[in-house]
Amino acid sequence: DAMVIQNPRYQVTQFGKPVTLSCSQTLNHNVMYWYQQKSSQAPKLLFHYYDKDFNNEADTPDNFQSRRPNTSFCFLDIRSPGLGDAAMYLCATSRGEGQGRQPQHFGDGTRLSIL
Amino acid sequence: AQSVAQPEDQVNVAEGNPLTVKCTYSVSGNPYLFWYVQYPNRGLQFLLKYITGDNLVKGSYGFEAEFNKSQTSFHLKKPSALVSDSALYFCAVSGSNDYKLSFGAGTTVTVRA
Repeated sequence: DAMVIQNPRYQVTQFGKPVTLSCSQTLNHNVMYWYQQKSSQAPKLLFHYYDKDFNNEADTPDNFQSRRPNTSFCFLDIRSPGLGDAAMYLCATSRGEGQGRQPQHFGDGTRLSIL
Repeated sequence: AQSVAQPEDQVNVAEGNPLTVKCTYSVSGNPYLFWYVQYPNRGLQFLLKYITGDNLVKGSYGFEAEFNKSQTSFHLKKPSALVSDSALYFCAVSGSNDYKLSFGAGTTVTVRA
């Protein structure tokens, strides 16, 4: 089945130690998104790519970076994780045409814990 | 700016009874409206969307939603709830010129046997 896959499902890192979360998709969608979700709150958009064009949200901390080496893969890098960065990180994809008309397809997330 | 309000943090219903989860929206221009469901430790699953056309939209797992332009509402409904429908539900809106979704705060649905 075509899908969005996030690895790992659970990640533990130390305070200040860089961590990378990965996302892959078999849907061949143009747009990929990274969200942060805390405690059953609404997901908060960090950034998104339309193909290779990167779009950062104004309130996304500089500590968060992203890479999209090709259509299928996207990475979230947290350069110096703080305790406040413990959360569920969700990757999503959507087709590019029609803009806001297209539903987003989510992976099952990576739950990040900070020691 | 676009926004969504889900006025109820929690909805509790008995299995077999109708389920309604409320959503109101605010957007400039035509709204694109979505419902998603999230089970514990899982991602969001797309249930249904309204883009244009019939005000009653049917989606996955027996859910439907009614778009009401005059009341700026898009309530999610299921005629007969199941215990397995217990989850967190999000309403979301996007504008015609934007990829970004604005989510409501979410409504936790509990269906008791």
